[in-house]
Amino acid sequence: EDQVTQSPEALRLQEGESSSLNCSYTVSGLRGLFWYRQDPGKGPEFLFTLYSAGEEKEKERLKATLTKKESFLHITAPKPEDSATYLCAVRSRGGSQGNLIFGKGTKLSVKP
Amino acid sequence: GAVVSQHPSRVICKSGTSVKIECRSLDFQATTMFWYRQFPKKSLMLMATSNEGSKATYEQGVEKDKFLINHASLTLSTLTVTSAHPEDSSFYICSASGTGANYGYTFGSGTRLTVV
Repeated sequence: EDQVTQSPEALRLQEGESSSLNCSYTVSGLRGLFWYRQDPGKGPEFLFTLYSAGEEKEKERLKATLTKKESFLHITAPKPEDSATYLCAVRSRGGSQGNLIFGKGTKLSVKP
Repeated sequence: GAVVSQHPSRVICKSGTSVKIECRSLDFQATTMFWYRQFPKKSLMLMATSNEGSKATYEQGVEKDKFLINHASLTLSTLTVTSAHPEDSSFYICSASGTGANYGYTFGSGTRLTVV
């Protein structure tokens, strides 16, 4: 069964304190790993898609990496506006019409 | 970029009434739309997948007669919660994919439904 596990559940950082969020997955044929940012009461906002092990993508203070078993979202020198819940999702060959399977998310709080 | 508009953002209704939520793709043709439900501190749970012009495919455990989905055009899908009950209170989110949008990554802003 396809599964996505995110850790930690919550993360508190001081402004400027770099860290990483983890997304571990087991899927029957990965067809993409997605990272989203979700603010309270809003829909997920797309950040990155990774398709193969070794792939990396960057956007401002965020960098996403992928291995065969997990993905990391690295946050460098975070600012308070980076506070949000970060969601990881996978699309697998075995998925129902290709839908995404989500983890529960990591709630990031960045204090000034 | 691809934009998906979802309305209303919040709705309060009485038990037993029906509520309709709209999901529109504004700048691309959405051949497939997904409807999710999200509980606090839980993953987004897929409810159903709809393809334009055909019947929706519901996930196991989702009542077809309670959650009616219509995808009548390439830019509009609707979710109607029929005979709503307090346990239907939740955050509902749609997502769309199609020509001009990467697969499944454009989400609407969500609808907070409260049934009283």
